[in-house]
Amino acid sequence: EIVLTQSPATLSLSPGDRATLSCGASQSVRSSSLAWYQQKPGLAPRLLIYDASTRATGIPDRFSGSGSGTDFTLTISRLEPEDFAVYYCHQYGNLPLTFGPGTKVDIK
Amino acid sequence: EVQLVESGGGWVQPGRSLRLSCAASGFNFDDYAMHWVRQAPGKGLQWVSGITWNSGSIGYADSVKGRFTISRDNAKRSLYLQMNSLRVEDTGLYYCTRSGGSSSLLWWAGPWGLGTLVTVSS
Repeated sequence: EIVLTQSPATLSLSPGDRATLSCGASQSVRSSSLAWYQQKPGLAPRLLIYDASTRATGIPDRFSGSGSGTDFTLTISRLEPEDFAVYYCHQYGNLPLTFGPGTKVDIK
Repeated sequence: EVQLVESGGGWVQPGRSLRLSCAASGFNFDDYAMHWVRQAPGKGLQWVSGITWNSGSIGYADSVKGRFTISRDNAKRSLYLQMNSLRVEDTGLYYCTRSGGSSSLLWWAGPWGLGTLVTVSS
């Protein structure tokens, strides 16, 4: 099983700041099969990025993904008020599919 | 508009069974693999099970293997999860998600339903 770790656990920032979230894998993620999701309280997760760097439909271009192998990054270039949420990475290159523990981005 | 509506959750005692359903609309259901993902209260996401478009490939998390059975009925545009021998640790919100592809389980998950809550407690 591929274990995903995310850092930091919590990121305290202000609107307009740049957010950099990291996701590490215990072994190489095949074909950069790595996605990022945003989850707000009481809501279902929303797909942001797939294949490590492809934005899902309707996702603003302030969200970008990068990385390969075992190290991946989600960057939010300028935080908007609606971006404060929990972010999960997810690998789908191998079964079982696995998720990271999440990074909470909260308001400083 | 893609819609996934889960149902069938509730409170159940350990050792009992529940059957979850997911009704899909707004897309060609038999063009996609489907997954169940759960979230324990206040915790992160855990993949439970997935099924390809024609039920030709099915996968389970080790924690549910042998107890849960995923199935689908393409004519009814519905996904199911039969959960037997339920344990306290199976408690959580169960989401139905559409995969990014059809003939493999190795795709991202999205969009998602709102989830149905399963509570296992004595």
